[in-house]
Amino acid sequence: GQNIDQPTEMTATEGAIVQINCTYQTSGFNGLFWYQQHAGEAPTFLSYNVLDGLEEKGRFSSFLSRSKGYSYLLLKELQMKDSASYLCAAMDSNYQLIWGAGTKLIIKP
Amino acid sequence: IAGITQAPTSQILAAGRRMTLRCTQDMRHNAMYWYRQDLGLGLRLIHYSNTAGTTGKGEVPDGYSVSRANTDDFPLTLASAVPSQTSVYFCASSVRAGASETQYFGPGTRLLVL
Repeated sequence: GQNIDQPTEMTATEGAIVQINCTYQTSGFNGLFWYQQHAGEAPTFLSYNVLDGLEEKGRFSSFLSRSKGYSYLLLKELQMKDSASYLCAAMDSNYQLIWGAGTKLIIKP
Repeated sequence: IAGITQAPTSQILAAGRRMTLRCTQDMRHNAMYWYRQDLGLGLRLIHYSNTAGTTGKGEVPDGYSVSRANTDDFPLTLASAVPSQTSVYFCASSVRAGASETQYFGPGTRLLVL
């Protein structure tokens, strides 16, 4: 079956760095997406990886290892506004997104 | 530019009633999607449409129907609502269906079925 695993909740300190891990198992693979979702709001796109390696975009970076079925989202210089849920989603062979349940990130001052 | 709009924002519905959730996008995107989001679960695809005039079933289609008469609109209908359909419903769109295509989400409809 198809499955995405990510931690339910993480806590970090303002100004610090946090890494949110995601493992996936899908029928075929057409890339890995990360979305941010603030409470009560819609998910918004953060990053897309289809090749192995690290993609850096400002304070956020995303890494993919296709052989290990593994990705992580790295958030640097954490700000209070980064408190949100982070959703990992893998695209399967039918170009449909399979979503993880999300990681709730709590930032403490 | 509004992007994607959904209506209503929220709704309380009696079980057995029929309900249509509306979704409109002004980005001329070809592909559109309906998801439901429940606590502790990932977004689950209900139905999708790769282009106007075509629709397909997602992971959890039972009890729901869709239509795609034109590019902009993608309504979701619950023929006879049941309490298990209580959820937050998100409509999304992408330029086309395919690898690397980012999906953009509407603000959601919060539905409570009693």
